[in-house]
Amino acid sequence: GAVVSQHPSWVICKSGTSVKIECRSLDFQATTMFWYRQFPKQSLMLMATSNEGSKATYEQGVEKDKFLINHASLTLSTLTVTSAHPEDSSFYICSANSGDTPHGELFFGEGSRLTVL
Amino acid sequence: GENVEQHPSTLSVQEGDSAVIKCTYSDSASNYFPWYKQELGKRPQLIIDIRSNVGEKKDQRIAVTLNKTAKHFSLHITETQPEDSAVYFCAASKGGYSTLTFGKGTMLLVSP
Repeated sequence: GAVVSQHPSWVICKSGTSVKIECRSLDFQATTMFWYRQFPKQSLMLMATSNEGSKATYEQGVEKDKFLINHASLTLSTLTVTSAHPEDSSFYICSANSGDTPHGELFFGEGSRLTVL
Repeated sequence: GENVEQHPSTLSVQEGDSAVIKCTYSDSASNYFPWYKQELGKRPQLIIDIRSNVGEKKDQRIAVTLNKTAKHFSLHITETQPEDSAVYFCAASKGGYSTLTFGKGTMLLVSP
């Protein structure tokens, strides 16, 4: 299957700082990427849909000014957590599909565990 | 929007037993139903999927059934092994570039 790579896998930051997480599709072009957030022992909650060359579509309740998403190319989407606070600590996972997956199969990145002190 | 309910939230079985996880969905337009396995701290991995024009699909010890009329689908794992222990998520979408809506997950524990 297709490969999606996410970086960094672990990040610890101080409260008030910003953190950028990268999501790359390594062997296919991803016109659409999705960002999920997962709290311990909970499900994957969709935060936003990232479309190459256009603004991201955010799910209800997700602050677009706090979680900045940029999808500047067909292989890279970034999520920036701005002015991070301890409650932003979570596991963030990106996923992608492409035109070669008409059934909607998603390929997930490794995930990024953010800890805000 | 789509709502996916998943049961049970936890499931403990003995090695060799079968395990069944059930999901229901609300949007009759959904036509793609994947199942993901997620081990602790790792990414979800697709283990099997089914589309709405098929009632059942099997891959070795794993099978998925779909009842489109009742809007529910199930994951069946036979001859469970300890390495099957993980969290399993069902999901539903309208296919293509549509978003996946996930169930809350089932933690499966297979005891030797």
